[in-house]
Amino acid sequence: GENVEQHPSTLSVQEGDSAVIKCTYSDSASNYFPWYKQELGKRPQLIIDIRSNVGEKKDQRIAVTLNKTAKHFSLHITETQPEDSAVYFCAASDSGGSNYKLTFGKGTLLTVNP
Amino acid sequence: KAGVTQTPRYLIKTRGQQVTLSCSPISGHRSVSWYQQTPGQGLQFLFEYFSETQRNKGNFPGRFSGRQFSNSRSEMNVSTLELGDSALYLCASSLGQGGAFFGQGTRLTVV
Repeated sequence: GENVEQHPSTLSVQEGDSAVIKCTYSDSASNYFPWYKQELGKRPQLIIDIRSNVGEKKDQRIAVTLNKTAKHFSLHITETQPEDSAVYFCAASDSGGSNYKLTFGKGTLLTVNP
Repeated sequence: KAGVTQTPRYLIKTRGQQVTLSCSPISGHRSVSWYQQTPGQGLQFLFEYFSETQRNKGNFPGRFSGRQFSNSRSEMNVSTLELGDSALYLCASSLGQGGAFFGQGTRLTVV
């Protein structure tokens, strides 16, 4: 089955800096890669996603890149703000872009220091 | 549009008991998945239902089961509870294309 590795497990940055979280996946059939943000005590929220036919996608301060050959994808957050502090999860799915089965990374605790 | 609703929010059960959790998906969403979240194992897939049919199942024992009704609402059941079943149980709904949207979860504590 699919295996998703996520690094780093913790990341601390100063407000205004950029943050990068990286994930690798094992199943070449995976074709949908969402990212979730989970604040303490709250539900995971979908913040951005990318499909395997796209190499990069941006939404304001966040962007995701995908390298299918190397089987890795990354989340980039620019101009970080204290409200970006949360746990971020990457995930992979081979079910045509649906949530049939998402395999998650272990998460990255991002702390943005004011 | 109302989001994904899970009930109850909190549960305390005794070992050996069984429990039923409920999930109401976003209106129009026919796919409902369930995940177990623990500090040690992270988010793990339990199963997924679409139009009342289980299409996918994760690596959990048979004590974990689920079902989906004709209105897309879903329930999951855990029988013969063990201490290790203590976790946050999350359901997520989807149109079938695109992202999954999570409910707030049910925090289950087994004592």
